[in-house]
Amino acid sequence: GIQVEQSPPDLILQEGANSTLRCNFSDSVNNLQWFHQNPWGQLINLFYIPSGTKQNGRLSATTVATERYSLLYISSSQTTDSGVYFCAPDTNAGKSTFGDGTTLTVKP
Amino acid sequence: GAVVSQHPSWVICKSGTSVKIECRSLDFQATTMFWYRQFPKQSLMLMATSNEGSKATYEQGVEKDKFLINHASLTLSTLTVTSAHPEDSSFYICSAAPAGGVGEQFFGPGTRLTVL
Repeated sequence: GIQVEQSPPDLILQEGANSTLRCNFSDSVNNLQWFHQNPWGQLINLFYIPSGTKQNGRLSATTVATERYSLLYISSSQTTDSGVYFCAPDTNAGKSTFGDGTTLTVKP
Repeated sequence: GAVVSQHPSWVICKSGTSVKIECRSLDFQATTMFWYRQFPKQSLMLMATSNEGSKATYEQGVEKDKFLINHASLTLSTLTVTSAHPEDSSFYICSAAPAGGVGEQFFGPGTRLTVL
């Protein structure tokens, strides 16, 4: 099956800093989602982005499907951004494979 | 929109008992629902894909007789952990993909199961 690698595994930022999270995948994908898992375990949809670039407030994402990677940008980070960020591409309709995640800690 | 609920949010049970977890799509119909399992500080592992009106498709290594899945309607799927044991303790999360959509999944809040 598809292999998904996320980097870095852990990231500590000072509030206000910017960051880039990376997701590499080993196969062609039909779609790709980015999620934020909050401390209570809820997964929050950030982006549905099989290709191209999208922006939503301080967050943006870019997927280059031909090169098999996706990037999540967080600008002007806030303490509420802390949590685990997962990317989840899928090669078969609706069957996603999750990466190991990036644990982000934003310090005040 | 695209809200998914799970019930219960947490459950503690004795070894040998069965536990049923419900997953509902509240404001959309979902032809397909998914069940995941997550251990502490680990990623989500897909357990099974549930399609309305048909049998679930289980991932390799997941015991179908242990984890019974029923997708009785376009808004409800249930996962029953039968004869639960301490090693079944985990965080169980469901997701749903809107019918006719592009495949984007929306997740429930999860159910934390502790088997004593």
